[in-house]
Amino acid sequence: DAGVIQSPRHEVTEMGQEVTLRCKPISGHNSLFWYRQTMMRGLELLIYFNNNVPIDDSGMPEDRFSAKMPNASFSTLKIQPSEPRDSAVYFCASSFRDKRYGYTFGSGTRLTVV
Amino acid sequence: GIQVEQSPPDLILQEGANSTLRCNFSDSVNNLQWFHQNPWGQLINLFYIPSGTKQNGRLSATTVATERYSLLYISSSQTTDSGVYFCAVERDRGSTLGRLYFGRGTQLTVWP
Repeated sequence: DAGVIQSPRHEVTEMGQEVTLRCKPISGHNSLFWYRQTMMRGLELLIYFNNNVPIDDSGMPEDRFSAKMPNASFSTLKIQPSEPRDSAVYFCASSFRDKRYGYTFGSGTRLTVV
Repeated sequence: GIQVEQSPPDLILQEGANSTLRCNFSDSVNNLQWFHQNPWGQLINLFYIPSGTKQNGRLSATTVATERYSLLYISSSQTTDSGVYFCAVERDRGSTLGRLYFGRGTQLTVWP
């Protein structure tokens, strides 16, 4: 199993540009989560999906952020327009409904908005 | 939400030493995980341990859910153990998994 795959690993963009982060969960996992990590706030949940349906998006900072999961094997997190304060590491995680294994995290995308 | 407190915030060890990291949480939880974030930023799942004790090599963990704490033991520490150790808890919502609440982590540095 290749684990949770995120792309790109690093992204540097100019303020005002659109940024799209991608995630491929582990095959068979039916829950997917997007987290953001910053020094100030630590790890915080942005949104999560069960069976491709968004369940809780209360962590999404504002309307500039949107997330989609068109099918069980792919999700995107989009920021439009991006701002310097969006600079952070964005993690995707997935899990089975079976609670024995917990969550598996991807390697993260380090986003820098200049 | 659930408050998760980890201690100590920082820990510096000589290679070969043992250590205990603690995680306290403010409410009943159904699930608890320990993660290691290595110097490259990757979050590695160490244990999924809502209760009881588990061991994996030099690492072991114990969760006492009724008393709302968990402990992570590292024995014979190595320089590769350096990084941040996070505790995360979850409150079950029936048949679905909910959100993970993370502590602020323990920054471990192991010197040769």
